[in-house]
Amino acid sequence: DVKVTQSSRYLVKRTGEKVFLECVQDMDHENMFWYRQDPGLGLRLIYFSYDVKMKEKGDIPEGYSVSREKKERFSLILESASTNQTSMYLCASRGSSVRGYTFGSGTRLTVV
Amino acid sequence: GEDVEQSLFLSVREGDSSVINCTYTDSSSTYLYWYKQEPGAGLQLLTYIFSNMDMKQDQRLTVLLNKKDKHLSLRIADTQTGDSAIYFCAESIGSNDMRFGAGTRLTVKP
Repeated sequence: DVKVTQSSRYLVKRTGEKVFLECVQDMDHENMFWYRQDPGLGLRLIYFSYDVKMKEKGDIPEGYSVSREKKERFSLILESASTNQTSMYLCASRGSSVRGYTFGSGTRLTVV
Repeated sequence: GEDVEQSLFLSVREGDSSVINCTYTDSSSTYLYWYKQEPGAGLQLLTYIFSNMDMKQDQRLTVLLNKKDKHLSLRIADTQTGDSAIYFCAESIGSNDMRFGAGTRLTVKP
């Protein structure tokens, strides 16, 4: 069964910490995405990547960066975590099929 | 507008039909999708419809597409408590991207 795996289900970090959220897919997909999900706001795109070492800003990139050194791995980095970055973070990948995105299980990050 | 729009909440009784509605934005969207998110989990693809289709049925699920009005609906027949979840409508944008609605939280009461 194809998978997108996010390394942590729950994280609690302190304000000002550097936070890494990891995402790995085993489908050889070119495209990978990071979203955050907040009640009433749906999914908001933070960053995406079409290929290794490529990255594009989404709708809300401020306070985040990403890294894609290998095709299967797409990391989201919070350089200095703040309380307004408390959220559910969802990673997704997409290949060439019509079936849209495959999502990971999500990481619920709490910044205290 | 730029948003995919959905009602935020829907409540039905077990055994009734549920209809979740969505208005999308791009008349050139090739595929339209419904995703289901159960509590604490990621989104799972429920079904999708190609834009040249009017209807797609898959067991208890029926998707209706009105391209003229850019309206998409998901009907769940004989709704069960296990159907309680958030349902997201999404449209394809170009070859790689998707635009999601805010999600409709379906509550099924026994």
